[in-house]
Amino acid sequence: DTEVTQTPKHLVMGMTNKKSLKCEQHMGHRAMYWYKQKAKKPPELMFVYSYEKLSINESVPSRFSPECPNSSLLNLHLHALQPEDSALYLCASSQRQGSHNQPQHFGDGTRLSIL
Amino acid sequence: SQQGEEDPQALSIQEGENATMNCSYKTSINNLQWYRQNSGRGLVHLILIRSNEREKHSGRLRVTLDTSKKSSSLLITASRAADTASYFCATDPLYNQGGKLIFGQGTELSVKP
Repeated sequence: DTEVTQTPKHLVMGMTNKKSLKCEQHMGHRAMYWYKQKAKKPPELMFVYSYEKLSINESVPSRFSPECPNSSLLNLHLHALQPEDSALYLCASSQRQGSHNQPQHFGDGTRLSIL
Repeated sequence: SQQGEEDPQALSIQEGENATMNCSYKTSINNLQWYRQNSGRGLVHLILIRSNEREKHSGRLRVTLDTSKKSSSLLITASRAADTASYFCATDPLYNQGGKLIFGQGTELSVKP
């Protein structure tokens, strides 16, 4: 079991749907991350939140909209996605953004398929 | 862009053998980390080695770091079928903008019983 919980585990949606991915951690971490991972590739950073504020947006298309309602929760709102957005979406957390020598803790991801 | 390079890309061994994976990187670092990813799961942190450390052990894992060559290796001794997974190195660059990790391309390890 991981300490970062992601729901749902699987999601199939059409290109016109709106859905949300959720991530929760109760380790008191103040930095949270969204990654996108394609098969047999490393994770690609999408967003970083630090103390509930968006700190880094890696030029992600606006059809992905992150939200951090509180220090334990991170959402990723999806709208009008494209087939190439099908991937494993991973959430991670760490004690502090930029706090060196601290690992990131990952959830098991949401497997997203766009029809 | 991903600066880490790992080799081999894939490695197949028998149970009980040792597995060695290598990682090279391009910029100065604060630390280098190794993660394991089982099929369909998230990444699990294995070990972190700081830039002023040369070797670190954790159970059957041994990590070395050579900052002069900008390279690291992960050795898994007495491998088990349960070690079958993808292994990624990730660097924390010295002048890091916001805690971004730079991941290598990964090594896919298969341990046959």
